[in-house]
Amino acid sequence: SAVISQKPSRDICQRGTSLTIQCQVDSQVTMMFWYRQQPGQSLTLIATANQGSEATYESGFVIDKFPISRPNLTFSTLTVSNMSPEDSSIYLCSVEGLGLAGADTQYFGPGTRLTVL
Amino acid sequence: SQKIEQNSEALNIQEGKTATLTCNYTNYSPAYLQWYRQDPGRGPVFLLLIRENEKEKRKERLKVTFDTTLKQSLFHITASQPADSATYLCGSGSNYQLIWGAGTKLIIKP
Repeated sequence: SAVISQKPSRDICQRGTSLTIQCQVDSQVTMMFWYRQQPGQSLTLIATANQGSEATYESGFVIDKFPISRPNLTFSTLTVSNMSPEDSSIYLCSVEGLGLAGADTQYFGPGTRLTVL
Repeated sequence: SQKIEQNSEALNIQEGKTATLTCNYTNYSPAYLQWYRQDPGRGPVFLLLIRENEKEKRKERLKVTFDTTLKQSLFHITASQPADSATYLCGSGSNYQLIWGAGTKLIIKP
């Protein structure tokens, strides 16, 4: 299994500022994912981050707003740039769930709860 | 567009009874469906995955069914306990491009 930690666990930020969220995994993984989860809503995939290549963004998400780094096989960061209250959400990172049932199963981090004032 | 729907209303079940949660999918035919548990302030935790050619899968007190005719998966918790109270998410997709339901909050009352 994979153990994932995220920092910070929560933050309150001012409009127009940026926040970088860190995701650390206790084992080397190829695929890491960043999700957003708004209250009462489903998980929405922001981007897939593979080490050694540019992140792949889903429709509706752009690199200028959500730049991602993946410097090695155990770490990734997601930056939420030029924040607005609409960015208030829980941000989750996850990794491929090899060793689970396969077929795209994932291990998730605990999430970062972001509030933008 | 492809969609997964789960009951948005919380499900209240008496301890000891069987809880049944529903996941309906539309506009696609998933090769599998997977179920996760999410507690407040935590990330989802994988529970079970069922493939389209499997009618039923069990793990301890958990059971998942997959009905391709009804386009539906049911998730059952037998002999439910207050510790089973959580939000349960249904998801599916391929190549990690998962579609997720919004989850159903399950409350088990002592």
